[in-house]
Amino acid sequence: AQSVTQLDSQVPVFEEAPVELRCNYSSSVSVYLFWYVQYPNQGLQLLLKYLSGSTLVKGINGFEAEFNKSQTSFHLRKPSVHISDTAEYFCAVSRAPNDYKLSFGAGTTVTVRA
Amino acid sequence: DSGVTQTPKHLITATGQRVTLRCSPRSGDLSVYWYQQSLDQGLQFLIQYYNGEERAKGNILERFSAQQFPDLHSELNLSSLELGDSALYFCASSVEDSTDTQYFGPGTRLTVL
Repeated sequence: AQSVTQLDSQVPVFEEAPVELRCNYSSSVSVYLFWYVQYPNQGLQLLLKYLSGSTLVKGINGFEAEFNKSQTSFHLRKPSVHISDTAEYFCAVSRAPNDYKLSFGAGTTVTVRA
Repeated sequence: DSGVTQTPKHLITATGQRVTLRCSPRSGDLSVYWYQQSLDQGLQFLIQYYNGEERAKGNILERFSAQQFPDLHSELNLSSLELGDSALYFCASSVEDSTDTQYFGPGTRLTVL
């Protein structure tokens, strides 16, 4: 079975500063990797996903993530955050090639301050 | 707005009762997933249906069951409710049973008193 570890439960950051959210996974098989965002009182929205190919993945709202197979990591980054990026961020994996249910990390709460 | 609708938004009930949560997937999506989000367990996959058939099961309790109807909407039935069942229940849908993006609904918040 695969598992996901999000190394930071809370990340405070100032507006226009960069942010990195760390995600490590463990799996004995190939995985697909995802980052979702949950704004207060809303459902989850996909930011980006890695299926195959280029290890640098660009997503919506200026986010990007890099898949590192040797370190089993999929860290999310944004070079300059806005107040509106305040939300909870979830890393998730599914097992390639035919298992599409998502296993989520515990989440990282990002609070952007002016 | 993801296009996935869930009803009701909030549900308050007592221990021992039974409730039904409803999900309407995005138009054209064949696959429906149910997830539970609680403070102690985080986000957990419960069950998946694809075009009316059960496709995958997660940590779903025997007291819980689900189905997907011919019009592709899905219902999650929770019975003999316990305090620990209080959680946010999300439905997600995708076009196919594949790596297609899962679109999440706004959730149903269940409170068991």
